[in-house]
Amino acid sequence: SQQGEEDPQALSIQEGENATMNCSYKTSINNLQWYRQNSGRGLVHLILIRSNEREKHSGRLRVTLDTSKKSSSLLITASRAADTASYFCATAAIYNFNKFYFGSGTKLNVKP
Amino acid sequence: DAGITQSPRHKVTETGTPVTLRCHQTENHRYMYWYRQDPGHGLRLIHYSYGVKDTDKGEVSDGYSVSRSKTEDFLLTLESATSSQTSVYFCAISEDEISTEAFFGQGTRLTVV
Repeated sequence: SQQGEEDPQALSIQEGENATMNCSYKTSINNLQWYRQNSGRGLVHLILIRSNEREKHSGRLRVTLDTSKKSSSLLITASRAADTASYFCATAAIYNFNKFYFGSGTKLNVKP
Repeated sequence: DAGITQSPRHKVTETGTPVTLRCHQTENHRYMYWYRQDPGHGLRLIHYSYGVKDTDKGEVSDGYSVSRSKTEDFLLTLESATSSQTSVYFCAISEDEISTEAFFGQGTRLTVV
């Protein structure tokens, strides 16, 4: 399985601090995506980074990808209480990039 | 949520009975997926479809079958429900090979007693 694994499993920070989550995967990928899930809801797409990209930004989100280490990180800057959620990385195989595999997620708690 | 409806949203069923979950989309997206979410496992792919009558297995397909007779509907059937299939099931769609972003439904909470 090329399932991604997030680290840490849980993260608790104060509002205004930065939050960093990591994802490692096993096989070659076409792209890697990050999703957010609020409690009891479906997942919402945050950002996609392709295998030929090293860094991508979207608002307060910064994603990096290191294909040599098979790892990615998601940085949320100046976190807010509303960022409290679970965050998942999803990988798409290089040979079948419409088949997504998710990790077990990082549960982020941002304290006001 | 991007035009995806899952039904039912909650279901309790007995061990050994067949169960069908429905995913309906209004986006005309080509790809549709069924995932299950369990504590400690994240989301695991059960089956997915890349077109009408075109389906493929995921990581945890044993005990599940799917059908897609129309672009808008993707059915997941538990042939004989077991307690290990108690889970939250999510349907997702994605448009094509270029965009690849997935949109998720609200989920179906299934309890097998």
